[in-house]
Amino acid sequence: KQEVTQIPAALSVPEGENLVLNCSFTDSAIYNLQWFRQDPGKGLTSLLLIQSSQREQTSGRLNASLDKSSGRSTLYIAASQPGDSATYLCAVRRDDKIIFGKGTRLHILP
Amino acid sequence: GAGVSQSPSNKVTEKGKDVELRCDPISGHTALYWYRQSLGQGLEFLIYFQGNSAPDKSGLPSDRFSAERTGGSVSTLTIQRTQQEDSAVYLCASSSQTGFYNEQFFGPGTRLTVL
Repeated sequence: KQEVTQIPAALSVPEGENLVLNCSFTDSAIYNLQWFRQDPGKGLTSLLLIQSSQREQTSGRLNASLDKSSGRSTLYIAASQPGDSATYLCAVRRDDKIIFGKGTRLHILP
Repeated sequence: GAGVSQSPSNKVTEKGKDVELRCDPISGHTALYWYRQSLGQGLEFLIYFQGNSAPDKSGLPSDRFSAERTGGSVSTLTIQRTQQEDSAVYLCASSSQTGFYNEQFFGPGTRLTVL
């Protein structure tokens, strides 16, 4: 059974710092991995989608990496801003299901 | 263009009542997904539609839960005889194709509270 774990559960960092969020999964047979952000009271916003054949994806200040063999992904956020404060979720897809981690609550201190 | 919309945004109901949640996917998206997020829990997959059919219903937590999709567009998730443990945010997502490699776009969710 696929399990997705995100560490840490919560993180507070001063504005301007670079940071890394971690995601691990137990079954490496995935089709893709997706990172989302969730703001309070709102739906999920897709940040980056990495196909199983890819190693990383970049969008602006965000970079996500994927190491399927070790069952790990990282989301790197450069030069953090207060607007980055949100919950970040990773999700892996296999067959018709997506399995989500419980998220990392990120708070950027002004 | 318009994103995924869900209604109502909030629903408060009494234990034992039936509720119906609605999802309008992005126009042209053939795949539609329902999830729920209980307090303190991760997102839980419920059901997936490919067009109007649901190949995988294994995520539905009990036979009180059902979902349908008509015309390859709007979907409704129905919960019969609601229980307090059904309280959660119910999220809907859609993607442009039914293949496994396509990005999902999420709606804002419906917050269900069962008293």
